[in-house]
Amino acid sequence: ETGVTQSPTHLIKTRGQQVTLRCSSQSGHNTVSWYQQALGQGPQFIFQYYREEENGRGNFPPRFSGLQFPNYSSELNVNALELDDSALYLCASSPPRGLSTDTQYFGPGTRLTVL
Amino acid sequence: QKEVEQDPGPLSVPEGAIVSLNCTYSNSAFQYFMWYRQYSRKGPELLMYTYSSGNKEDGRFTAQVDKSSKYISLFIRDSQPSDSATYLCAMKNGNQFYFGTGTSLTVIP
Repeated sequence: ETGVTQSPTHLIKTRGQQVTLRCSSQSGHNTVSWYQQALGQGPQFIFQYYREEENGRGNFPPRFSGLQFPNYSSELNVNALELDDSALYLCASSPPRGLSTDTQYFGPGTRLTVL
Repeated sequence: QKEVEQDPGPLSVPEGAIVSLNCTYSNSAFQYFMWYRQYSRKGPELLMYTYSSGNKEDGRFTAQVDKSSKYISLFIRDSQPSDSATYLCAMKNGNQFYFGTGTSLTVIP
């Protein structure tokens, strides 16, 4: 069984640029959530995708957007990057609803630095 | 007030000690409670998951939930240097997960 994978591992961008982060969910998982984790903080919920539709959103501006594909992989796009967007971006996948633990499993994250 | 409060530590204990990690929360709608372990520059790893009030044990780890007090704990028995990490509590309401800030733990050999 393959776990959650994310790419790239690290990324450096400059203010105002756009970035796309990618996530492959764990096998059999159809829900993907994205989180932003600033240094020394807990993960903050950005949004969740279920069956290719956005299924909940945290307190993040519209320049944070996402996609989920038919194979349940997902992308996080951030436009007009700001310095405060520097963080570890985590993807987490969850199994189909009603099964097993109803919780989520994280990938290793993408560390984004905005200069 | 944050929905989930967690003492960030840092917490430093000798090898073999019992460690107690705690979180409080304000939203009584939280139904699922989790503990994650996060090593430096890695994603969080699920340790424990519980739904109801009471205790749940898994090896050296015990998760405790007191819904009446809105308080959850994680106990680590016979702590090992490999337990040195940041421990995050998390709670679920609907389809959203809410995390504490994490407690940094160092187990000294």
